[in-house]
Amino acid sequence: DAKTTQPPSMDCAEGRAANLPCNHSTISGNEYVYWYRQIHSQGPQYIIHGLKNNETNEMASLIITEDRKSSTLILPHATLRDTAVYYCIVANAGNMLTFGGGTRLMVKP
Amino acid sequence: KAGVTQTPRYLIKTRGQQVTLSCSPISGHRSVSWYQQTPGQGLQFLFEYFSETQRNKGNFPGRFSGRQFSNSRSEMNVSTLELGDSALYLCASSHGGNQPQHFGDGTRLSIL
Repeated sequence: DAKTTQPPSMDCAEGRAANLPCNHSTISGNEYVYWYRQIHSQGPQYIIHGLKNNETNEMASLIITEDRKSSTLILPHATLRDTAVYYCIVANAGNMLTFGGGTRLMVKP
Repeated sequence: KAGVTQTPRYLIKTRGQQVTLSCSPISGHRSVSWYQQTPGQGLQFLFEYFSETQRNKGNFPGRFSGRQFSNSRSEMNVSTLELGDSALYLCASSHGGNQPQHFGDGTRLSIL
């Protein structure tokens, strides 16, 4: 599976959009981009995933560049409950995930 | 729809003992994966079962084993426990393929 690079930490003001970047320059054609988050003492929570096209669901939007070498997770209106570690994972199947260090997002009032 | 259920939530064992952890997947999910999370190593993949067969295995010693039953419920076993096995053990289930996994809240295992 391709390796991903994420900033170790980010801050965001409550109510503003949180844009979390992820680089995956070695992604191959059949690999998907998955995003999870983990709030302390809980299991990772699935957010969204995509292959080529941008995706949106009730939690977030996923923007994948045309060359697929990077992506951005967007939380449109961050709340304090969105404070968590966010993981960007590239894999050709969703059942064997390699987690990196993730981005620790701190949403501040 | 009920989520992934793991039991027990907390467990304390001593070195040399063995332990069995249980996972009930989301109804209809046939793929169950196990992960270990420690402060030093982060989240690491242990193994995956699909229709009672182990399909993938991570880089862990043979002391770590698992199985899956016909109803897709899964157990993992760790024998001859070591202090370094103290961790949060997470189970995740999915339909398989590129469908995302959904995680339980884990079993926190402490070795004394």
